[in-house]
Amino acid sequence: QKEVEQNSGPLSVPEGAIASLNCTYSDRGSQSFFWYRQYSGKSPELIMFIYSNGDKEDGRFTAQLNKASQYVSLLIRDSQPSDSATYLCAVNIPMEYGNKLVFGAGTILRVKS
Amino acid sequence: DGGITQSPKYLFRKEGQNVTLSCEQNLNHDAMYWYRQDPGQGLRLIYYSQIVNDFQKGDIAEGYSVSREKKESFPLTVTSAQKNPTAFYLCATNLRTLDQPQHFGDGTRLSIL
Repeated sequence: QKEVEQNSGPLSVPEGAIASLNCTYSDRGSQSFFWYRQYSGKSPELIMFIYSNGDKEDGRFTAQLNKASQYVSLLIRDSQPSDSATYLCAVNIPMEYGNKLVFGAGTILRVKS
Repeated sequence: DGGITQSPKYLFRKEGQNVTLSCEQNLNHDAMYWYRQDPGQGLRLIYYSQIVNDFQKGDIAEGYSVSREKKESFPLTVTSAQKNPTAFYLCATNLRTLDQPQHFGDGTRLSIL
C-alpha cells in the first residue's frame, strides 16, 4: 500500500462547479496535511494545510480532514479555468531526524469554460 | 527579494560526469530538502538537512550527495553513479518544526546528453 494515494484523474468539471479532490494516507501517526497546486512545468505551490479534524476554509478552497478514516480532501468552489493543474496531497510523517513530507502522485484537474 | 533560488533552470549531463545543482535561500529557514519528480509521479525525497553541517538520507539517496556548510545553501551533486538522472529536481525549505509547510524553489530540470 502506498503511503499517500490519490486518484490520478483527470477530473473534469465545468467552470463554476465544485471540484472535489481526495487523498488517503496509511500512517496513523501523521499530524499535518498539505495541498499543493502544480502547473505544468512549474514547482508546487502551497494552497492549504490542515492539522485538525474537520473543515478549514480559505477563500474558494476548503480542506477536510478525517483522521479516523485517514483521508483528507480539497474542495474548490466556483472552479475557474485557471484552477486547471495537478493537485498534490502531502502528509507529514515524523522521523528520528526532523520530518518527512510524503507526496501522492497528484490528481489532474481540468476546468472547462 | 526573499525566497528560494535554484540554479540553473536547465542542466545537461554527459555520461560519467558529476553535476551540481544549487539551492540558496534567504528566508532564514533551518531545514532544507531535495526532491526528485519524474513525469506523472509524486515528489520523492533525496536528502534533507535540519541544521548546518548535518544532513540525512531520504528515500532515494543513492547516486546523490549533498553538503550543508552554510544555513543559506544546500547544493545537490548528481554523481555518475546515478544511472537515471533525468528528472525535475526541487529544493524546499521550512522552519525546523514538525508542522510547518515546505516551500519550493522553481526547480532544475536535468537531462542526459
